[in-house]
Amino acid sequence: EAGVAQSPRYKIIEKRQSVAFWCNPISGHATLYWYQQILGQGPKLLIQFQNNGVVDDSQLPKDRFSAERLKGVDSTLKIQPAKLEDSAVYLCASSLGAINGQYFGPGTRLTVT
Amino acid sequence: KQEVTQIPAALSVPEGENLVLNCSFTDSAIYNLQWFRQDPGKGLTSLLLIQSSQREQTSGRLNASLDKSSGRSTLYIAASQPGDSATYLCAVDENQGGKLIFGQGTELSVKP
Repeated sequence: EAGVAQSPRYKIIEKRQSVAFWCNPISGHATLYWYQQILGQGPKLLIQFQNNGVVDDSQLPKDRFSAERLKGVDSTLKIQPAKLEDSAVYLCASSLGAINGQYFGPGTRLTVT
Repeated sequence: KQEVTQIPAALSVPEGENLVLNCSFTDSAIYNLQWFRQDPGKGLTSLLLIQSSQREQTSGRLNASLDKSSGRSTLYIAASQPGDSATYLCAVDENQGGKLIFGQGTELSVKP
């Protein structure tokens, strides 16, 4: 069974630029999550989708971050404009449902200079 | 507001030792607790999931316990190996909604 795929794996941008991350969940997984992991900290949930609807985006900085999950499969997370404090690893996870275990992708390491 | 704490932040042990990693949470009203492993540059791998009604779970050399009333969980690793070197994270799900609240992790180094 293929795991959660993410791209790109690494990205370096300057502050005020925009960036987008892509996630392809495990086939059949209805629930998709985006987490932000700052160096030395545990992951923090940014947004949770159930199929193509948003379940929880309470910790998403909506003035600069946006996410979508078209057709309930792939998802894109965008930052525009980026700030220095956005430097982190962005992890995507998926699960069969909210009560099932989550499977994580390898993450995208973002560096904002 | 739920807070999850892991102590110590880093641990170094010689190969073969048994060790315990600690996780504490402030609100005992949780649905489940999970332990994850994270290798450098990689995502998280789920190790053990304990439902709120359970006291412990075992997988191979790993044993996780849960004491909801005291807000604590431990991950016991028996006969540690260099391949166990990684960061170990615990996370709680408060409301069966899938939103995990993570601790900051314990970085484990097992020396040959």
